[in-house]
Formats: sequence, structure tokens, C-alpha cells
Amino acid sequence: SAVISQKPSRDICQRGTSLTIQCQVDSQVTMMFWYRQQPGQSLTLIATANQGSEATYESGFVIDKFPISRPNLTFSTLTVSNMSPEDSSIYLCSARDNEKQYFGPGTRLTVT
Amino acid sequence: DQQVKQNSPSLSVQEGRISILNCDYTNSMFDYFLWYKKYPAEGPTFLISISSIKDKNEDGRFTVFLNKSAKHLSLHIVPSQPGDSAVYFCAASDANQAGTALIFGKGTTLSVSS
Repeated sequence: SAVISQKPSRDICQRGTSLTIQCQVDSQVTMMFWYRQQPGQSLTLIATANQGSEATYESGFVIDKFPISRPNLTFSTLTVSNMSPEDSSIYLCSARDNEKQYFGPGTRLTVT
Repeated sequence: DQQVKQNSPSLSVQEGRISILNCDYTNSMFDYFLWYKKYPAEGPTFLISISSIKDKNEDGRFTVFLNKSAKHLSLHIVPSQPGDSAVYFCAASDANQAGTALIFGKGTTLSVSS
């Protein structure tokens, strides 16, 4: 199984600012993803982080708002740009290894 | 439109009894199903899975049942323990979309009282 760490674990940010979340996997994985979990909601896929190329975004999410980097097979970042209170959520990094997906502990973001 | 549905947001069970968590899906192309467990302030952790070629998979106290004709699966926990109290997510994937992310339901919060 893959062990995933995220930094920061939580943050409180002012509206209009940006936050970059880092995700590190302890082994090389083919697929990495970013999810968001808003209160009472499911895990919503934001994008697939592609190594060496632009991320693939789901409907409702755009690169300008959520730029993603994936420079290698073990690391990815998600930036939440120009934040508003509606971006307050838990952001989860995930990695897929064959049929199973593993998750990081999440980053709890509060925007004031 | 939600492809994976968990219609019960919460379930309360007494310790020692059976917990049954349900999940329905709409996409007939889904062929692999997983259950995840999530504690507060932690990421979801994999619990048990089932392939569409099976109708049952058992792992200790946890059993997952799949009814393909009804597009329904369920997770049984027997006997339930207070440490099982968590949010349980049902997830599905489509083998024809290899490498794509899992699709999750909204989760069911299980509370096991002692």
C-alpha cells in the first residue's frame, strides 16, 4: 500500500489569497488525484494530476482556480487561488495503485 | 447526476449487533466496488472491495455483498464494535476507464453504542 502525506494539515486563510497544498507519496504511483470534501458532501474529484503534463480537470473545476503540478511520480501540489469562503473544505490527495486508491490525511482549509 | 448513492446519511447500532450499510449505483459499466472508512481529521482508508465477478467477499467481521441486477451493494459488519464508529464511503470504478479515479457516494455515518 502507498502512504501519503500532506502539508499543511490545516490552515486558516483570508479571502483573496492563495494556498498551496503539498502531497508526497512514499512510492512511485501512476495516478494521483485531488479531491475536495465539503461538509456533509461526498468526496468530489477536482482533477487528475498527470506527471509531466497539464492536469485533467473535472467539470466545474478550472486550472486558473486550482493549478496543479506533478513534477514526478511521487509528488504533487494543488493551489487554491483567490480564495473565497466557499473554498472552505477538506482537500485530499489520493494515489491509485492498480485497483486500490489511497488517501492522504487531508488539508482542512478555512477561508475567512 | 450521482452515479453512486448512499441514501442513508446515518445509522445507529448497538455493540455486538449487525451493521448494514447500503449503496446503489447507476452506471452499469462499474465493475469494481470498494468501501472506505473515514475517521474525523483523517483521510479515508480502504476497508474491503469486491469485483463484479463475485457476489460476496468476506474479510473478518466485514462482508460485502453485490447484487448486480439490482445495482446494489451492502457492507455488513458483525459484530459491530464502538471503534467501528466512522463515516463509511462506497466507491466504484469502471475497468474500461483504467486509471481513472474512483467515484464516491456521500457516505453513511455509523455510530456504534456500547
